[in-house]
Amino acid sequence: GAVVSQHPSRVICKSGTSVKIECRSLDFQATTMFWYRQFPKQSLMLMATSNEGSKATYEQGVEKDKFLINHASLTLSTLTVTSAHPEDSSFYICSGIEGSYYNEQFFGPGTRLTVL
Amino acid sequence: GQQLNQSPQSMFIQEGEDVSMNCTSSSIFNTWLWYKQDPGEGPVLLIALYKAGELTSNGRLTAQFGITRKDSFLNISASIPSDVGIYFCAGPSTGTASKLTFGTGTRLQVTL
Repeated sequence: GAVVSQHPSRVICKSGTSVKIECRSLDFQATTMFWYRQFPKQSLMLMATSNEGSKATYEQGVEKDKFLINHASLTLSTLTVTSAHPEDSSFYICSGIEGSYYNEQFFGPGTRLTVL
Repeated sequence: GQQLNQSPQSMFIQEGEDVSMNCTSSSIFNTWLWYKQDPGEGPVLLIALYKAGELTSNGRLTAQFGITRKDSFLNISASIPSDVGIYFCAGPSTGTASKLTFGTGTRLQVTL
């Protein structure tokens, strides 16, 4: 199956700093990648859709200036949490779509962000 | 917006028992996906369903696409400890080609 990696797997940062999370499709070209946030004991909530070479589309209520997304190539998308605050602490998961299986997203292992 | 409600929210079962869970929606879906999420990991696709009435198996897992297109069911037979995790149903969000709406999840815990 298609493999998606994320780096780092865990990150702890101080309030006010910025954190970058990378999402890579290892064995396929992901024309579309998605970023989700998951709070403890809750479902995945879509934050934004990222298409290679164009601006990301954010879901309602997600601040685009706070969560910067860059999809520079068909195998890499990055999420930067700017000026992080404790309430941004969460589990961030990316996914990519492979080829024609547009409904079958393959997910990365997630990044646990803790903001002190 | 679309909502996918899963039942039960959580369940404790003994090893060897069969498990049933379901996912219901207020709107019609043309695709149903079932994912499993282990603690601290991303979801992994278990089964994909594309046709109303379809019954698909993957090892000990069997999923069905409800006839009304508003529900889906997942069964796990002879559960084992590694079945522990959260099971999510998902379907394509209205008006998009690729976005998914996730269900509320069913947390499964298996005791020996």
